[in-house]
Amino acid sequence: RKEVEQDPGPFNVPEGATVAFNCTYSNSASQSFFWYRQDCRKEPKLLMSVYSSGNEDGRFTAQLNRASQYISLLIRDSKLSDSATYLCVVNQNYGGATNKLIFGTGTLLAVQP
Amino acid sequence: DTAVSQTPKYLVTQMGNDKSIKCEQNLGHDTMYWYKQDSKKFLKIMFSYNNKELIINETVPNRFSPKSPDKAHLNLHINSLELGDSAVYFCASSQEQGGSSPLHFGNGTRLTVT
Repeated sequence: RKEVEQDPGPFNVPEGATVAFNCTYSNSASQSFFWYRQDCRKEPKLLMSVYSSGNEDGRFTAQLNRASQYISLLIRDSKLSDSATYLCVVNQNYGGATNKLIFGTGTLLAVQP
Repeated sequence: DTAVSQTPKYLVTQMGNDKSIKCEQNLGHDTMYWYKQDSKKFLKIMFSYNNKELIINETVPNRFSPKSPDKAHLNLHINSLELGDSAVYFCASSQEQGGSSPLHFGNGTRLTVT
């Protein structure tokens, strides 16, 4: 099983739609979770951290389900500018300084006019 | 005021050559990284340094040698370049090590080996 797994998509949705991405992770001891956004030929940028109780930032809502080891990202009222690859990021927690952030392969979202 | 800056942005070179990529961060972070993103867009950690000390070396060939002269700089030197080294290399920094705080990325160096 991959450490961090995402549906690669593409997700093609019309403007204004609501779209949700899921991501599963293998290490039950993972403590830190993030969603990043990467535009074509650009660097990944932090979209939001994911907290245990779930959190919202404008049109974006992130949820964590520790029991099932998945995190989700919900985007409401999609805009054309939301078109990008969304990367799920989880820390590989085996204790100590060598823990690191593991990236999923990303889910491509294309919002259509 | 670029937070993490790396140079050059593009690097085209021939097999067998040696090249370097430089990275600097002005965020005051203690931890810096090199990540490689291959043609399938998979982003994989190569190295991490904390306050100039090597913390993670992700079984990268020893043709790749990182150097951190101070905690704000992390350079990557690559010897004897191979076709398979073609990728985008991202420098990043974080406030804390251990994967507990998010990464801030530079804008990448697109390396093409011919």
